[in-house]
Amino acid sequence: EDQVTQSPEALRLQEGESSSLNCSYTVSGLRGLFWYRQDPGKGPEFLFTLYSAGEEKEKERLKATLTKKESFLHITAPKPEDSATYLCALGFSGNTGKLIFGQGTTLQVKP
Amino acid sequence: DSGVTQTPKHLITATGQRVTLRCSPRSGDLSVYWYQQSLDQGLQFLIQYYNGEERAKGNILERFSAQQFPDLHSELNLSSLELGDSALYFCASSVGGTRNTIYFGEGSWLTVV
Repeated sequence: EDQVTQSPEALRLQEGESSSLNCSYTVSGLRGLFWYRQDPGKGPEFLFTLYSAGEEKEKERLKATLTKKESFLHITAPKPEDSATYLCALGFSGNTGKLIFGQGTTLQVKP
Repeated sequence: DSGVTQTPKHLITATGQRVTLRCSPRSGDLSVYWYQQSLDQGLQFLIQYYNGEERAKGNILERFSAQQFPDLHSELNLSSLELGDSALYFCASSVGGTRNTIYFGEGSWLTVV
């Protein structure tokens, strides 16, 4: 069964304290692993797509990496405005763009 | 602003009623997706349309239906509403169906009382 699990469920960091969020998955026919950021009551905001093991992408303080079984979202020197829920999602091979989402990691960065 | 527009933003309705949620995709996007987000279930894929045709179906209840019109806007119809249908409903769009970034709207909050 296709499955995506995110850990930890919640993470509290001090401003400037770097850390990583994990997304582990089992899927047949993976076509992309996606990272989104979601603020309370808002729609998910696209961050990254990774397609193959070894791929890395960066945006400001965020860096996403992908292996054959998991993805990491590294947050370097986070700021309070990075506080949000981070969602990873699996895309599938075939003629559809549907995504299967993990439950998310809620990050709180304290000043 | 993702460019995906959803209306209404909030609605409150009674059990047994029917509501319609509307979505306008980003300019140029042919695929429209509907997702449901509740506290206990997370973000769940409901259905995808591509250029007017149903492309993929997820855990969408029989009481729910959707369609995509020739102008590419989409509607999600929810009928015989139950308390458990209270959730945030998101529409999303992409250019095509695969290897394209999917952009989400701000959602429609549905409360069933």
